[in-house]
Amino acid sequence: EPEVTQTPSHQVTQMGQEVILRCVPISNHLYFYWYRQILGQKVEFLVSFYNNEISEKSEIFDDQFSVERPDGSNFTLKIRSTKLEDSAMYFCASSDSTGTGIWTGELFFGEGSRLTVL
Amino acid sequence: LAKTTQPISMDSYEGQEVNITCSHNNIATNDYITWYQQFPSQGPRFIIQGYKTKVTNEVASLFIPADRKSSTLSLPRVSLSDTAVYYCLVGRDDKIIFGKGTRLHILP
Repeated sequence: EPEVTQTPSHQVTQMGQEVILRCVPISNHLYFYWYRQILGQKVEFLVSFYNNEISEKSEIFDDQFSVERPDGSNFTLKIRSTKLEDSAMYFCASSDSTGTGIWTGELFFGEGSRLTVL
Repeated sequence: LAKTTQPISMDSYEGQEVNITCSHNNIATNDYITWYQQFPSQGPRFIIQGYKTKVTNEVASLFIPADRKSSTLSLPRVSLSDTAVYYCLVGRDDKIIFGKGTRLHILP
């Protein structure tokens, strides 16, 4: 079964450092997403990406965050200067949705990257 | 974006049928209703999706009344391994928002 893969599984960093989380979405999917989940809390939407540009973003996704699809397979989330409150599990997801606005497909999630900011 | 409301938590016993209802009063005409399951430290996993009436797969059934303002996820004969958080989602494909979900605890 196709799957979304994420690296690293766990990253520890110092406050103020830059972090890049990597994702390989399912190969024929066109819509990509990043979510985060602080321990014990709900899954929070960060950003969606379609046709090589950001489709939607939440208020969490401020100037410290950026996403990129540097090649045909990877999808990255960069946090420029990490803060303590960025400590969370970050999930990448992809879907075969075609950008019509109607969500009829399945959203496939990776296993997550746990970020710990000290 | 349609907001969803679910019970915060539910308990049930092994072998029972569990029904979790979600309210989505301002669902849009084109919105589908999708349910996800999440185990601790794992990404959410798709369970079932529907638009109206009833949908059934090998894992669950989804009941949607004619007005589509609510939906009910039905899990037949639950086991301990069904202990998880269950999310009801409604919305467009560019901004899929998770609510707080229902924490289902299955007791032996």
